[in-house]
Amino acid sequence: AQSVTQLGSHVSVSEGALVLLRCNYSSSVPPYLFWYVQYPNQGLQLLLKYTTGATLVKGINGFEAEFKKSETSFHLTKPSAHMSDAAEYFCAVSAPYSGGGADGLTFGKGTHLIIQP
Amino acid sequence: DVKVTQSSRYLVKRTGEKVFLECVQDMDHENMFWYRQDPGLGLRLIYFSYDVKMKEKGDIPEGYSVSREKKERFSLILESASTNQTSMYLCASSPLDRAGQPQHFGDGTRLSIL
Repeated sequence: AQSVTQLGSHVSVSEGALVLLRCNYSSSVPPYLFWYVQYPNQGLQLLLKYTTGATLVKGINGFEAEFKKSETSFHLTKPSAHMSDAAEYFCAVSAPYSGGGADGLTFGKGTHLIIQP
Repeated sequence: DVKVTQSSRYLVKRTGEKVFLECVQDMDHENMFWYRQDPGLGLRLIYFSYDVKMKEKGDIPEGYSVSREKKERFSLILESASTNQTSMYLCASSPLDRAGQPQHFGDGTRLSIL
């Protein structure tokens, strides 16, 4: 079974500082990994994904994440935080469900990113 | 762009009522999903469907059922609503190709059961 652990339910950084949101996963098969962002009162929007190939993945809004198989990690980073980055961030691993033709997603519990002016 | 539309943003119902949450996607996706989102618990999969009239249980199917009569529409049904089903419900869709296709989400329905 797959699982995702996001370290820190709340992370606070100053505007202009580095953003680092941590995600560790467990998977019995080669994983597909995703980061989603959720702004208040909205659904989830895909930030970036890792499937195969290059382990450093670039996404929207200046975010990137690096897949490290040896550490079973997929941490999300952004060099310089902006006030508009304040949101809830979810890491997810694709989880094949037996008997079905679809892959569900197993989500972490989310990290609320707070940007201090 | 993929559009996943949930029929209601906010819904208030009473205990014991039968509740229908509707979701429509416009990208001809085979897969559709229903999640519930609760603070501190993240998103949990309730049911999913990979074809018309097909359904599979997710992690927390108890107290829910689903219906998929048309490819573009996936309904979540609370047979007899209870207060512990007060939550945010999110619908998602994705194409059939299982090679890491992302899911596309609607804006959610915030359901309150009184």
